[in-house]
Amino acid sequence: NAGVTQTPKFRVLKTGQSMTLLCAQDMNHEYMYWYRQDPGMGLRLIHYSVGEGTTAKGEVPDGYNVSRLKKQNFLLGLESAAPSQTSVYFCASSYHHNTEAFFGQGTRLTVV
Amino acid sequence: AQSVTQLDSQVPVFEEAPVELRCNYSSSVSVYLFWYVQYPNQGLQLLLKYLSGSTLVESINGFEAEFNKSQTSFHLRKPSVHISDTAEYFCAVIFYSSASKIIFGSGTRLSIRP
Repeated sequence: NAGVTQTPKFRVLKTGQSMTLLCAQDMNHEYMYWYRQDPGMGLRLIHYSVGEGTTAKGEVPDGYNVSRLKKQNFLLGLESAAPSQTSVYFCASSYHHNTEAFFGQGTRLTVV
Repeated sequence: AQSVTQLDSQVPVFEEAPVELRCNYSSSVSVYLFWYVQYPNQGLQLLLKYLSGSTLVESINGFEAEFNKSQTSFHLRKPSVHISDTAEYFCAVIFYSSASKIIFGSGTRLSIRP
């Protein structure tokens, strides 16, 4: 049982480059989330999805886009990376809004 | 705006001493409450949760948290900590009015001294 899988685990980008972070869950969860974790700031919600084909903005959505074309996958895109987007990104999923969220292992992204 | 506050960014304690990690949230509306733990270089794992019922909830490794509606708090406690409890702890809240979003506190780093 893989749970929530994020790829890649590490990435270094140059300013202005684009990339997509992949999140896959095998638990048939409806809800999926993308967070960024920065020192002293906890986890901040970037975007989330309450089901296949739906997405919504979270607390810090600027500079990111997402897609949920399949229920099990939630993609996070950076169109033009900036140094301020250097962070650790976590994907999470949950069956329902009031149930436990399961987290991936994180993606450490550095933008130079 | 709805928010979650963890008052201590770092808590150093000696092994076998008791510890309390504090968590307050911004609104007295109905909430779901969670504590997550993050060990170094790992993702977050659920430690315990309060959805309804008894206001005192316990985890399998000796932690407990008490929901206090009047104080809008959900403090985490353990009577005797172990070196293996060294980690960062995050309080998280789902406010009924924004049911799809889990809001996290900024985290408390618990360091255990032998």
